[in-house]
Amino acid sequence: DAGVTQSPTHLIKTRGQQVTLRCSPKSGHDTVSWYQQALGQGPQFIFQYYEEEERQRGNFPDRFSGHQFPNYSSELNVNALLLGDSALYLCASSLAPSSYNEQFFGPGTRLTVL
Amino acid sequence: AQSVTQLGSHVSVSEGALVLLRCNYSSSVPPYLFWYVQYPNQGLQLLLKYTTGATLVKGINGFEAEFKKSETSFHLTKPSAHMSDAAEYFCAVWISGYALNFGKGTSLLVTP
Repeated sequence: DAGVTQSPTHLIKTRGQQVTLRCSPKSGHDTVSWYQQALGQGPQFIFQYYEEEERQRGNFPDRFSGHQFPNYSSELNVNALLLGDSALYLCASSLAPSSYNEQFFGPGTRLTVL
Repeated sequence: AQSVTQLGSHVSVSEGALVLLRCNYSSSVPPYLFWYVQYPNQGLQLLLKYTTGATLVKGINGFEAEFKKSETSFHLTKPSAHMSDAAEYFCAVWISGYALNFGKGTSLLVTP
């Protein structure tokens, strides 16, 4: 079992650009959640996808959007990048969006905005 | 709103000493609480979780935590620290059953 995988590992962009991050969930999982972890902070919830729809959203602007594909993999898109978007972006998968089901985290994508 | 506060951003212990990482929660409903560990350049790994039932929860790598409602605490302990325990530790609480709300983390340093 490969677990949760994310790509790319690292990414450098400039302000105003757009970026797409990718996540493949753990085998058998159908729910994907995205978190942003700024340097020295705990992860913050961005949104969650289940059945190819955004089910829940944290306190993030519309510049952050996502998608879930029929194979349950997911993308996180960020438009009009700001310096403050520099962070580690973590993807977590689970079996259905329930608090009883453990979220498994990927290694993350480190985004640097210059 | 459900939240957690981790007391102490950095904790240093000697190898073989007791590890105690503090977490207090705020919740208007019975909380589901978690401890995660993050090693450098890696994602988060679940150490243990409290949902209902027994208030003393045992996790992986010899860690355990006790849910104390009267103190609104969920402190993480390990009797004897090992060098490999050096990492960042995060306490978290479920937000309305769909996502985790994390604390700011505690960096554990283990000295020989």
